[in-house]
Amino acid sequence: DIQMTQSPSSLSASVGDRVTITCRASQSISSYLNWYLQKPGKAPKLLIYAASSVQSGVPSRFSGSGSGTDFTLTISSLQPEDFATYYCQQSYSTPYSFGLGTQLEIK
Amino acid sequence: QVQLVESGGGVVQPGGSLRLSCAASGFSFNDFGMHWVRQAPGKGLEWVAFIRFDGRIRNYADSVKGRFTVSRDNSKNTLYLQMASLRAEDTAVYYCAKERISTVRGVISSVYFDYWGQGTLVSVSS
Repeated sequence: DIQMTQSPSSLSASVGDRVTITCRASQSISSYLNWYLQKPGKAPKLLIYAASSVQSGVPSRFSGSGSGTDFTLTISSLQPEDFATYYCQQSYSTPYSFGLGTQLEIK
Repeated sequence: QVQLVESGGGVVQPGGSLRLSCAASGFSFNDFGMHWVRQAPGKGLEWVAFIRFDGRIRNYADSVKGRFTVSRDNSKNTLYLQMASLRAEDTAVYYCAKERISTVRGVISSVYFDYWGQGTLVSVSS
């Protein structure tokens, strides 16, 4: 099974900050990497698929990069609605594992 | 618009059974693979099961293999998760999710979950 290591596990930042979250796969997953955002009590929401493709309707401040084993999610200028938990997910092979999440909090 | 609505959650004793449903609308259900993902209280996301659009391929997490069965009724636009021999560690919110496949020049480049239901809570407790 492929393990996904996400860092940091938590992060404090201010509105307007640039933030980067990283995700590392235990083996190469090509570009089979997705990012989701989840707010408390809500279902996850797709942000980025195929490592760098922004889902329709997602603001352009969100971007993704990487391939193989190392990936990043960048938020260029944090907005109040971005404070949530972020998960990476590999879809290279089942089980489609998720990272443990990064909780983004307001500083 | 796409809607996924789970139902069937509740409180069940250890060793018991439960069947979850996910009613789909707003898209051609029989053209898409579907997944179940769960989230234990205060924990992260765990992929549980997948069923191909035609029901002929099913995959499971090791943690549920042999106890859970995923199925679908394309005539009713509904996805199911039959859960048996339930354990305390199965306590979680269960989400259904619609699969989407991206391609680049005809080659699959990723698989992702573009729509999720609101979730249904399963609590296994005596």
